[in-house]
Amino acid sequence: QVQLQESGPGLVKPSETLSLTCTVSGGSISGYYWSWVRQPPGKGLEWIGFIHYTGSINYNPSLQSRVAISVDTSKNQFSLKLSSVTAADTAIYYCARVYCSGGTCSGYMDVWGRGTTVTVSS
Amino acid sequence: DIVMTQSPDSLAVSLGERATISCKSSQSVLYSSKNKNYLAWYQQKPGQSPKLLIYWASTRESGVPDRFSGSGSGTDFSLTISSLQAEDVAVYYCQQYYTTPQTFGQGTKVEIK
Repeated sequence: QVQLQESGPGLVKPSETLSLTCTVSGGSISGYYWSWVRQPPGKGLEWIGFIHYTGSINYNPSLQSRVAISVDTSKNQFSLKLSSVTAADTAIYYCARVYCSGGTCSGYMDVWGRGTTVTVSS
Repeated sequence: DIVMTQSPDSLAVSLGERATISCKSSQSVLYSSKNKNYLAWYQQKPGQSPKLLIYWASTRESGVPDRFSGSGSGTDFSLTISSLQAEDVAVYYCQQYYTTPQTFGQGTKVEIK
């Protein structure tokens, strides 16, 4: 079955750019939307944004000025960049698949990666 | 943004008893023309990623035990665990996907009494 794996640095300095990649295995990245969700320590879930395999993107307005999501269908990967990070960006970052069927996509996320912890600290 | 509010923040239930979590949205997540509520429930066990339990407010994801059920429409929803098992200890989140930004409730922690 489809599996997702996040990868990237676990430690990022304040004011620098956080960069993460999600690798999709066991299935194709085509035909779906792909999301990033984060969870600060001990807190709830925050939707960052999602990207369609064709490149169509939607970001959370609260992060829109700092976030960029991209997709590389040749590598079956999609990526997250978050610029000008502060301690408030310290979180577990999850990638997830948005369920789609027959060309129609829902919005709920049916497959999740295990998450990767990113700490912002000097 | 649509604000999702869950209650209670935590609850302790005896094994085999019923647990019910409420989720209210600040505006309707019912897409009238499709007669679908754009509301999902997730379970997050300690140290794990969220797991989809329910979508379209009441449709159980494949493989989810039938003791989990979702109900509600418009702005008021609930998740019920009919007979709590030890493995159900987790934090449960509701999520609206009616519009972006997608938003989650603050979570409800379910424990064994």
